[in-house]
Amino acid sequence: SQTIHQWPATLVQPVGSPLSLECTVEGTSNPNLYWYRQAAGRGLQLLFYSVGIGQISSEVPQNLSASRPQDRQFILSSKKLLLSDSGFYLCAWSHPQDEQFFGPGTRLTVL
Amino acid sequence: KQEVTQIPAALSVPEGENLVLNCSFTDSAIYNLQWFRQDPGKGLTSLLLIQSSQREQTSGRLNASLDKSSGRSTLYIAASQPGDSATYLCAVADRGSTLGRLYFGRGTQLTVWP
Repeated sequence: SQTIHQWPATLVQPVGSPLSLECTVEGTSNPNLYWYRQAAGRGLQLLFYSVGIGQISSEVPQNLSASRPQDRQFILSSKKLLLSDSGFYLCAWSHPQDEQFFGPGTRLTVL
Repeated sequence: KQEVTQIPAALSVPEGENLVLNCSFTDSAIYNLQWFRQDPGKGLTSLLLIQSSQREQTSGRLNASLDKSSGRSTLYIAASQPGDSATYLCAVADRGSTLGRLYFGRGTQLTVWP
């Protein structure tokens, strides 16, 4: 069966510090991978998606970036965090036009 | 751009009631529609997936219907239990995108009290 992992589960970072969130998927190959952010009082916002290694598409301009160094690994990064980057970050995977499955999420607080 | 709306935003009911959660979307050209459940501080759990060619899907006490032409879906929860308390999210995958991009509603926060 397929599983999706995210870490860390919780992170508190000062403004201006770097960020690295990791997502890995097990039990499947060639998945589409997604990063979403869920901010307080707002819906889920798609940040990045990837259809293959090294292939990243960004949905919104921001100071975040994403990378996919391996087929089942998706990383969300920032060089300098802003207060507005606080939120709940969710990684998801799917096969094209199929059901999408989400990880447990990372709660990021930027102080 | 696809917009997804969920009504009501919050619902509080006694145990045992049958419930209907509503979802509407603006562009009927979709690949599929998915219902999720989210517990506080947790990720999303997929409940039901309805392909665009289907009218409904059932899983246990849950039944989801899809009326693509009118841009509506309903999630029916039979004999609600306190363990059903969570936020329920509706999401649609646009036919215009082959990448499975989902557009989400803001959810219905459900509380079932004993």
